[in-house]
Amino acid sequence: EVQLLESGGALVQPGGSLRLSCAVSGFAFSSYAMAWVRQAPGKGLEWVSSISGSGGTTFYADSVKGRFTISRDRSKNSLNLQMDSLRVEDTAVYYCAKIETTMASPFQYWGLGTRVAVS
Amino acid sequence: SYILTQPPAVSVAPGKTARITCGGNNIGGRSVHWYQQKPGQAPVLVIKYDSDRPSGIPDRFSGSNSANTATLTISRVEAGDEAAYYCQVWYNSDVVFGGGTNLTVL
Repeated sequence: EVQLLESGGALVQPGGSLRLSCAVSGFAFSSYAMAWVRQAPGKGLEWVSSISGSGGTTFYADSVKGRFTISRDRSKNSLNLQMDSLRVEDTAVYYCAKIETTMASPFQYWGLGTRVAVS
Repeated sequence: SYILTQPPAVSVAPGKTARITCGGNNIGGRSVHWYQQKPGQAPVLVIKYDSDRPSGIPDRFSGSNSANTATLTISRVEAGDEAAYYCQVWYNSDVVFGGGTNLTVL
């Protein structure tokens, strides 16, 4: 059974930093692209970043480019999101998602999310 | 950037058919994926690659995509289908979501 469990969400001041993690199980982690998607309170889904299975290719939304860094740790089966220079508008629930195959594939499985508040 | 346009809300009576559209420039040339999100829950993939149903999704859910509009169709709507629905495409190394449609079952 595929499981994705996010952690690291917190209340942080503008300009601060936060590191989110997503522990995964139930599939060959290194074989699949992964992504972060967020949802601001009462709003729709917004893609944040994606990373290839090897970790060698990453993509970012313009809204977070230069401030957020996605990475993956094969030894821990973990997906990470380092968030720096946080802004009020980064307040959201952050979801970790397993991509079906390659980066252009759909988000096959989602975690329950972790809440980030910037205030 | 690429924009996907969805109606904010759609209402349907139980047992009827709901159609949720997703408009985009020549979207018919792209693969469209659809997600269902119930309040307080994570999204769930309900249609992938325009019209494929993932394992476990009822055959009441179907999809189509042509020209400038992709459509998610839910037949024999049930109360449990009440949720927000989002379309999504991959465009120039970006993932784009539509703004979402709230489906209300009357």
